[in-house]
Amino acid sequence: DAGITQSPRHKVTETGTPVTLRCHQTENHRYMYWYRQDPGHGLRLIHYSYGVKDTDKGEVSDGYSVSRSKTEDFLLTLESATSSQTSVYFCAISEWTRFYEQYFGPGTRLTVT
Amino acid sequence: QKEVEQDPGPLSVPEGAIVSLNCTYSNSAFQYFMWYRQYSRKGPELLMYTYSSGNKEDGRFTAQVDKSSKYISLFIRDSQPSDSATYLCAMCSGAGSYQLTFGKGTKLSVIP
Repeated sequence: DAGITQSPRHKVTETGTPVTLRCHQTENHRYMYWYRQDPGHGLRLIHYSYGVKDTDKGEVSDGYSVSRSKTEDFLLTLESATSSQTSVYFCAISEWTRFYEQYFGPGTRLTVT
Repeated sequence: QKEVEQDPGPLSVPEGAIVSLNCTYSNSAFQYFMWYRQYSRKGPELLMYTYSSGNKEDGRFTAQVDKSSKYISLFIRDSQPSDSATYLCAMCSGAGSYQLTFGKGTKLSVIP
């Protein structure tokens, strides 16, 4: 398995609270991604990073922010969680020359009550 | 119309059967075509990728891309119960766009 860890693996939080999910890689890959996976929608890109402090929006970025201060860490923050953000969140990484080969972490199951 | 369409199934086959999984797409700029396998409560794992049109074989798995029809397929020969998973197709154009567009996935069960 590619060296990708996500924390926490499970979280239950209340509407309106801030939540931060962490992705950590040991592969030194340049690109990192955050996806959410929901029944009926599949995997959708939230944000991605192409280097330290370089990030861009994906398909479903509203309500989410990201930060990348080190190559190995990519943080996803829900500033004020809503029930519609209940989902499974996956981090992925890829080398910049092989961006189409993405390797996924184990996922974080987030429930917003 | 969604950019990538994939029949969600579920698809149930007996062990040893040949499985055909398919996706259609609308964006003619797509050049890279991937298949991911996802076991229950796990992250997706890359099975195969193909650049542009043609076939690619890896063991029991064969990926086909027909760009003229905007249609891709994954064939699994001699299917095994361990192949039971959700299969996701994914595509991207490259050329400065690094975002993958995924199908919704097809859930496959191989019955012993």
